[in-house]
Amino acid sequence: AQSVTQPDIHITVSEGASLELRCNYSYGATPYLFWYVQSPGQGLQLLLKYFSGDTLVQGIKGFEAEFKRSQSSFNLRKPSVHWSDAAEYFCAVGAYNQGGKLIFGQGTELSVKP
Amino acid sequence: DAGVIQSPRHEVTEMGQEVTLRCKPISGHDYLFWYRQTMMRGLELLIYFNNNVPIDDSGMPEDRFSAKMPNASFSTLKIQPSEPRDSAVYFCASRPLARGNTEAFFGQGTRLTVV
Repeated sequence: AQSVTQPDIHITVSEGASLELRCNYSYGATPYLFWYVQSPGQGLQLLLKYFSGDTLVQGIKGFEAEFKRSQSSFNLRKPSVHWSDAAEYFCAVGAYNQGGKLIFGQGTELSVKP
Repeated sequence: DAGVIQSPRHEVTEMGQEVTLRCKPISGHDYLFWYRQTMMRGLELLIYFNNNVPIDDSGMPEDRFSAKMPNASFSTLKIQPSEPRDSAVYFCASRPLARGNTEAFFGQGTRLTVV
């Protein structure tokens, strides 16, 4: 069955520190992978996506993610966190043979300390 | 483009009442999805449409829930009768058919509270 696991429910980092949010997926074929961010009371905004090709993908707001097939992972990274990055982050796998529907992880809430 | 538009943004209703949530997808998008977000279950897909036709409604929790897409620019999610456990944020999303571009665009959501 298709699934996405985000092991960390909540992470706190200091402003200016580096960040890595973990994501593991289970999918029977080559996955389409996404990271979305949700600010309080808002919808989901796409940070970045992986379809094929280069396994290191760049996104908006200085985020990047690396697809590692051998580890079934798609971890999100940022070298220096800003206070405005505090939000909830969702990893998702897209089932392209099922209309592209998204299966989401449970989310990781990021807090940023001054 | 204004993006995916959902209405209302907030809805408070009494148990037993009918609730209708509305969505206008991005023009030209072929797929429309309804998701529900709760603390307990996270983001879960309820139903999706392709060219206005429901394809997979296996996520619809029970018969009290129904969804329609009468045309390419409008969809509704109806709950009748509503129950307190239906309280959640409901998101609509759309995406185009074009291969190589399978990201979905989300609306701002409707926060439903059933008292």
